[in-house]
Amino acid sequence: GESVGLHLPTLSVQEGDNSIINCAYSNSASDYFIWYKQESGKGPQFIIDIRSNMDKRQGQRVTVLLNKTVKHLSLQIAATQPGDSAVYFCAENPWGATNKLIFGTGTLLAVQP
Amino acid sequence: EAQVTQNPRYLITVTGKKLTVTCSQNMNHEYMSWYRQDPGLGLRQIYYSMNVEVTDKGDVPEGYKVSRKEKRNFPLILESPSPNQTSLYFCASSPGTSSPLHFGNGTRLTVT
Repeated sequence: GESVGLHLPTLSVQEGDNSIINCAYSNSASDYFIWYKQESGKGPQFIIDIRSNMDKRQGQRVTVLLNKTVKHLSLQIAATQPGDSAVYFCAENPWGATNKLIFGTGTLLAVQP
Repeated sequence: EAQVTQNPRYLITVTGKKLTVTCSQNMNHEYMSWYRQDPGLGLRQIYYSMNVEVTDKGDVPEGYKVSRKEKRNFPLILESPSPNQTSLYFCASSPGTSSPLHFGNGTRLTVT
């Protein structure tokens, strides 16, 4: 079936470095993508989203890149901080599947001081 | 503060004993949904609701019921819980189509 997956289950970075978390999606009909951050003991928290008519979107210290040709999504975190340590999920919204998000299994980002 | 509130945060129960997990949102969102989160499987949708009195099955609805009598509340009901329903449950809401979901902080359920 259609699925959202992640290349790396764990990513370890040094504080101050930039982090890149990758995600592959399989549904070419998906038109909306979201990145979530989940800290221990909390629910997923919205970070940034992007629609299929864009290939890049920037937020505060975060950038999402969308490559529809290879069905790839990435989240870039600039100047990674200890507070960025969490599990990051990508999610896709297949076109026509109103408010139905398909989530990846997550990548654990570990920031070393 | 805009939020999705779930109760209880932790629940241990026995097989067959009916339980309800409550969910309430104060953002006047039309859409609400329940997910379960299991290791290696990610978040899977159980049920969702597009508006009051409108509910539909998600990907893993077996063993669960929901109701949406008011816009702000969307309880999850387990009529006869079984050990395979041991999981971390999240309620979420959003304003509408292609909008980010706002999640509650989760309910960890253990069924023995």
